[in-house]
Amino acid sequence: KAGVTQTPRYLIKTRGQQVTLSCSPISGHRSVSWYQQTPGQGLQFLFEYFSETQRNKGNFPGRFSGRQFSNSRSEMNVSTLELGDSALYLCASSWTASNEKLFFGSGTQLSVL
Amino acid sequence: SQQGEEDPQALSIQEGENATMNCSYKTSINNLQWYRQNSGRGLVHLILIRSNEREKHSGRLRVTLDTSKKSSSLLITASRAADTASYFCAGNTDKLIFGTGTRLQVFP
Repeated sequence: KAGVTQTPRYLIKTRGQQVTLSCSPISGHRSVSWYQQTPGQGLQFLFEYFSETQRNKGNFPGRFSGRQFSNSRSEMNVSTLELGDSALYLCASSWTASNEKLFFGSGTQLSVL
Repeated sequence: SQQGEEDPQALSIQEGENATMNCSYKTSINNLQWYRQNSGRGLVHLILIRSNEREKHSGRLRVTLDTSKKSSSLLITASRAADTASYFCAGNTDKLIFGTGTRLQVFP
């Protein structure tokens, strides 16, 4: 069974641009969560989707948005990129909305220049 | 910030020794989980302990939970070089909130 797939693996953007990251969960998983990881702030929760509905949202500005499609695939979008958005963005999926065991993708490393 | 804290931030030991990592969290939780991350890649789930449990074992892993102190510890026995990684605790309320992590280095 394929794991969680995140694309692209690496991304370089400039300030002011926007970016869309993609996540394909494990087949059958209906919950997808997104995290931002930086050396200074560690792992910060962005948002969680279950069956196309956003269940939870972290403390990030409105420039960060996401969605989940009917096949459980998820995308997150960051508009008007800032230097501080440079980070590893991790997607995780699980069977249910209980978050009892998350399966993580390898992440998208975003660099904002 | 809701983020938990882990201690120590970094730990270096020799193969065969035991490694103990501690985690403190801030809010009431349903369960606490430990994850491992190799070199900035994705995290891998190691073990889950529920709020009504005090201790749990899985292979070379032993986890304890003290809800009155809002703390947990992860013990890895007989460490191997392949255990070198960062370890994170995560408290589960209605979402997973991760701690700051412990970087473990195991020398052959």
